[in-house]
Amino acid sequence: GQNIDQPTEMTATEGAIVQINCTYQTSGFNGLFWYQQHAGEAPTFLSYNVLDGLEEKGRFSSFLSRSKGYSYLLLKELQMKDSASYLCAVSQAGTALIFGKGTTLSVSS
Amino acid sequence: KAGVTQTPRYLIKTRGQQVTLSCSPISGHRSVSWYQQTPGQGLQFLFEYFSETQRNKGNFPGRFSGRQFSNSRSEMNVSTLELGDSALYLCASSLVSRAGGVYEQYFGPGTRLTVT
Repeated sequence: GQNIDQPTEMTATEGAIVQINCTYQTSGFNGLFWYQQHAGEAPTFLSYNVLDGLEEKGRFSSFLSRSKGYSYLLLKELQMKDSASYLCAVSQAGTALIFGKGTTLSVSS
Repeated sequence: KAGVTQTPRYLIKTRGQQVTLSCSPISGHRSVSWYQQTPGQGLQFLFEYFSETQRNKGNFPGRFSGRQFSNSRSEMNVSTLELGDSALYLCASSLVSRAGGVYEQYFGPGTRLTVT
């Protein structure tokens, strides 16, 4: 079956670093995506990994281990505006994405 | 460049009715995917269209259908609405070739459908 797991909620303080984990078991794998979704808004693309390793993009980094079915999103120097839902998604075929249920991150001052 | 647009933004329908939602992708994007988002199930893939052909389909009943026009605009239709169809319907467009590959998707603001 298809399964993508990520924590439901996380909390952190401004300026801190937070790591959001994602584990997946899917019948196919083309790549792993991370999206950010603020309440009431559309998801916006953050990063994607096709090969094992770390991809860095400003304050955000994403890591992938295909052999372990594991990824994480690392957010550094947290800001209040980073409070949002973070969605892990696996690409299987074409542009079809299988999403996890999302991790709601709350950043406090 | 204009983003993905969806119309209408909000819709209230009664059980048993049908509904058509529209999506205009980013200019130049030929792939359009549709997703349903609910609090309980999260984001679930409905189907993908590329060059007016359905390329992939998720695990939804036949009441859910779609199509794509020659200008890449897409519509999805839900017939015989059920209470459980109340959700945010998101459309995403992508710059993708026939050869495949991995491309990021750009989401529209969604259509909030409420079925009473």
